[in-house]
Amino acid sequence: AQSVTQLDSHVSVSEGTPVLLRCNYSSSYSPSLFWYVQHPNKGLQLLLKYTSAATLVKGINGFEAEFKKSETSFHLTKPSAHMSDAAEYFCVVSGNAGNMLTFGGGTRLMVKP
Amino acid sequence: DTEVTQTPKHLVMGMTNKKSLKCEQHMGHRAMYWYKQKAKKPPELMFVYSYEKLSINESVPSRFSPECPNSSLLNLHLHALQPEDSALYLCASSQEGGLLSYNEQFFGPGTRLTVL
Repeated sequence: AQSVTQLDSHVSVSEGTPVLLRCNYSSSYSPSLFWYVQHPNKGLQLLLKYTSAATLVKGINGFEAEFKKSETSFHLTKPSAHMSDAAEYFCVVSGNAGNMLTFGGGTRLMVKP
Repeated sequence: DTEVTQTPKHLVMGMTNKKSLKCEQHMGHRAMYWYKQKAKKPPELMFVYSYEKLSINESVPSRFSPECPNSSLLNLHLHALQPEDSALYLCASSQEGGLLSYNEQFFGPGTRLTVL
């Protein structure tokens, strides 16, 4: 069995300040981990993925995440928030049955001017 | 082409109507998925097709009927829906997972369905 917990349902930052979205996972397998972003009334876009290579993963739009096995965490960061980053972010784990994804509950990121 | 397309973007239907949602991908992916997403919630898996065969049905009511005519197309036929079925319906595709751990899914923009 596997599960994902996103520790904050809402995060609010000012434009130009760092972003931290927290994710903890549980998996019986060596997981693949993903962060997806969803803008209002849009589909999900893949930000980045971890697949047992480098533990620090760089994604699109300046986002990165670090896989920490000892802490079972995969937190998403960005050095400087932009207004266009305001969206819903999902931490996702797969690996138990190939194609099956387990979603976290989502974190809504708000960016203040 | 790294895009999953879905039509229509919006659909309003009555409870007695029959309608269909369409999804298409040309990435050579052999796994395709339907998800249902309610407001402020993560997507919920409905169906998985693998090599054009239905491999997973997450106990979805029979008023939703999936179809995979070929490896690039996925349909969701709707009949006698209820107002609580109103949601964003997302299609996704991926390389066949199997023993691979590298199996991200590519999502389409979704169809916003309203049932009156």
